[in-house]
Amino acid sequence: NAGVTQTPKFQVLKTGQSMTLQCAQDMNHNSMYWYRQDPGMGLRLIYYSASEGTTDKGEVPNGYNVSRLNKREFSLRLESAAPSQTSVYFCASRGTLAGGYNEQFFGPGTRLTVL
Amino acid sequence: AQTVTQSQPEMSVQEAETVTLSCTYDTSESNYYLFWYKQPPSRQMILVIRQEAYKQQNATENRFSVNFQKAAKSFSLKISDSQLGDTAMYFCAFMNGNTDKLIFGTGTRLQVFP
Repeated sequence: NAGVTQTPKFQVLKTGQSMTLQCAQDMNHNSMYWYRQDPGMGLRLIYYSASEGTTDKGEVPNGYNVSRLNKREFSLRLESAAPSQTSVYFCASRGTLAGGYNEQFFGPGTRLTVL
Repeated sequence: AQTVTQSQPEMSVQEAETVTLSCTYDTSESNYYLFWYKQPPSRQMILVIRQEAYKQQNATENRFSVNFQKAAKSFSLKISDSQLGDTAMYFCAFMNGNTDKLIFGTGTRLQVFP
């Protein structure tokens, strides 16, 4: 199993450009998430999807859109990038293991710089 | 709203010694989970240990253990026999058992010296 994969690993954009961050998981998890990590801020939830076909806003959704394409894939789109969106972006998925544990598994992250 | 506070931005410890990282949280929920994640320089988020709020027994995973004080809303991580590979950022996180959302603290940077 590859777990949670993200593409690209690095990206540089100019202000106003658009791009889509891709995320896929092969663990048959229902829930998927997008976080951003800024220095000194910890990880903050942008959007999440509790199941295929549903999405909900997290703590910092402004400037982003998401698509839950199918059970495996959850993409994050920046329609008009701004320097304030310079960050490291993490995708995660959640499964319920035996015993009822609720653990999120994280992808390797995408470092995005907006000039 | 739930909040997670890590009051130690940086900590250091000598190899083979023991270190404790602090975390406090605020919630009115009774059903929740607490986690410690490790983030080495590779950026990968790695789950270190988890604790269910309904369990009174403190979780342990090899050299890692927690001190879960539910009434005080405290959830500290103890690392015994520290190793150079423990050098990383450590994040405390809270999950409401009725929602899908993880709330993270701001992290503690741990440096293990030889």
